[in-house]
Amino acid sequence: QVQLQQWGAGLLKPSETLSLTCAVYGGSFSDYHWTWIRQPPGKGLEWIGEIIPRGSTNYNPSLRSRVTISKDRSKAQISLRVSYVTAADTAIYYCASLRNWKFEYWGQGTLVTVSA
Amino acid sequence: QSVLTQPPSVSGAPGQRVTISCTGSSSNIGAGYDVCWYQQLPGTAPKLLIYGNNNRPSGVPDRFSGSKSGTSASLAITGLQSEDEADYYCQSYDVSLSGFYVFGTGTKVFVL
Repeated sequence: QVQLQQWGAGLLKPSETLSLTCAVYGGSFSDYHWTWIRQPPGKGLEWIGEIIPRGSTNYNPSLRSRVTISKDRSKAQISLRVSYVTAADTAIYYCASLRNWKFEYWGQGTLVTVSA
Repeated sequence: QSVLTQPPSVSGAPGQRVTISCTGSSSNIGAGYDVCWYQQLPGTAPKLLIYGNNNRPSGVPDRFSGSKSGTSASLAITGLQSEDEADYYCQSYDVSLSGFYVFGTGTKVFVL
């Protein structure tokens, strides 16, 4: 059974960089694409991007210029960085596994608030 | 930026059947990409409910079923129970721009 545990700073000021990490326990790290998804308070889900087993990335076109997803296979961890955040980036951020077009395993979520 | 449209809410009495629609376009559902459904209980992460249009992961009751036709998909809940009160999201893949995963706008199910 795959379990995801995520952490990172929860309060940022505008223009700062959001940084989150997600550790993967159980299963095979290389069997999945690893993704980040966010959900503004009271709103719907938005896919941020993915990192695939060979290391290349794909991002949501609306966020591509500010997002970086990376991974450390030796630690079975993935990371998210979003630069130049604004209030519009306030959301719960989730890491999730992606395989065969489905997001099967999810982290517990991290609320990130951007406020001056 | 949701490109899959769902009704904001649906409701039903315990034991009844409710359906949730998910309307897409020729660049996502209509292009042949599979649809998944997720259930999100208050304060928790979404949970995979249906994958590959109509398949249930282990542990998901057979009261939940999915279907897909053309540019739309549907989730049906039969024998509605109080614990089914939650938000539900559809999800697919969109080939416009450079391709990206898309979610529906979300539907709140109320059990009367």
